[in-house]
Amino acid sequence: DAKTTQPPSMDCAEGRAANLPCNHSTISGNEYVYWYRQIHSQGPQYIIHGLKNNETNEMASLIITEDRKSSTLILPHATLRDTAVYYCIVRDYTGGFKTIFGAGTRLFVKA
Amino acid sequence: KAGVTQTPRYLIKTRGQQVTLSCSPISGHRSVSWYQQTPGQGLQFLFEYFSETQRNKGNFPGRFSGRQFSNSRSEMNVSTLELGDSALYLCASSFATGPPETQYFGPGTRLLVL
Repeated sequence: DAKTTQPPSMDCAEGRAANLPCNHSTISGNEYVYWYRQIHSQGPQYIIHGLKNNETNEMASLIITEDRKSSTLILPHATLRDTAVYYCIVRDYTGGFKTIFGAGTRLFVKA
Repeated sequence: KAGVTQTPRYLIKTRGQQVTLSCSPISGHRSVSWYQQTPGQGLQFLFEYFSETQRNKGNFPGRFSGRQFSNSRSEMNVSTLELGDSALYLCASSFATGPPETQYFGPGTRLLVL
């Protein structure tokens, strides 16, 4: 089973921030949180990852709670092209990239 | 830098046949992983290769196999195809294996088994 829980779908107005939550209550100390998105059957696109500190890059911000049991991906100004399925996964070094993907969150950005 | 490339992009086979899919990782990347994506099961890990050695394997039958060459290119093979093998097969590469490395996916090969 996937180690993360995400809402199945969310809506966001274009130009507004999209906040996508992820629960990973069983995360262990050496597991990283990764976010990917997949636009209509294309290959998943890497967005961001983090261990315990908040992270920001040109695409998004990742906020990880202090107890690391949940995180939020923030797309600061969502556009129609951000409509996609967003996957939150956890990975540790010992497992390499053996990853269980959940169903993800289908984000609809509306004009 | 060119991304991960997969060939062919689309493939139609019949039950009982075998198929070989190819993946060329990003230049300099030594880890290649394969995933199967179906509407019912989602994205499932098949196996990971690093420096020509299989490092991890998912829960798939032995009909699914793979290999990696010295130039890091990888192939996966599915023998005795079944209807349920129809899926999008994704390849992903990274410089090294495991976090905090970032894995980048290719566009996938869509396989249809009739």
